[in-house]
Amino acid sequence: QSALTQPASVSGSPGQSITISCTGTSDDVGGYSDVSWYQQHPGKAPKLIIYDVDNRPSGISNRFSGSKSGNTASLTISGLRNEDEADYFCNSFRTSDTFVFGGGTKVTVL
Amino acid sequence: QVQLAESGGGVVQPGRSLRLSCTSSGITVSQNALHWVRQAPGKGLEWVAAISSDGSFKYYADSVRGRFTISRDNSRKILSLQMNSLRPDDAAKYFCARDESDYASSRWAYWGQGTPLTVSS
Repeated sequence: QSALTQPASVSGSPGQSITISCTGTSDDVGGYSDVSWYQQHPGKAPKLIIYDVDNRPSGISNRFSGSKSGNTASLTISGLRNEDEADYFCNSFRTSDTFVFGGGTKVTVL
Repeated sequence: QVQLAESGGGVVQPGRSLRLSCTSSGITVSQNALHWVRQAPGKGLEWVAAISSDGSFKYYADSVRGRFTISRDNSRKILSLQMNSLRPDDAAKYFCARDESDYASSRWAYWGQGTPLTVSS
């Protein structure tokens, strides 16, 4: 089961916006609206920040937004802050009732 | 306090078995699907297995199918992962997570802190 494709790293200055892509196939990202994003700080458990492509759980800042086009989902962080520095993983439902993560993207705030 | 807590990790030799557990407190899990996710040191997240709220549906990653078995006891609020024929590449921190759906979705709002597994002779 190959992972979804994410850039290894993305960086930006405080206040800027960055976008992380997550590319799969029609068997996962492209075929379902069940795409989520997780934020993980070092040594911590992952935290859900986007679900169903573009929905935010209660308590998650509206600086985080999600979208999808074809086989690629995207996470945008606007108004970048120091505390946004973390690893970000996309996750998608995949045909045959399995789930697949992206390889992860390390976000650096310059 | 809302939490999931994994236990049972440790050091095991290749080919041996181990059973992980995940208990919940402060949140209900009986109406939710539950998942196991693992993360090798310095690596990304890998979904391992899921079980529906009533335990009737179970799903596995190809890498563990036939070796791992997920189960749950809703009366005791315990999620388990029986791991057999362990291999060195099974070494990772294992997290349990609560799905916001009763069936299975990628919306996992609650996570434990993980329990580490080392597979080495």
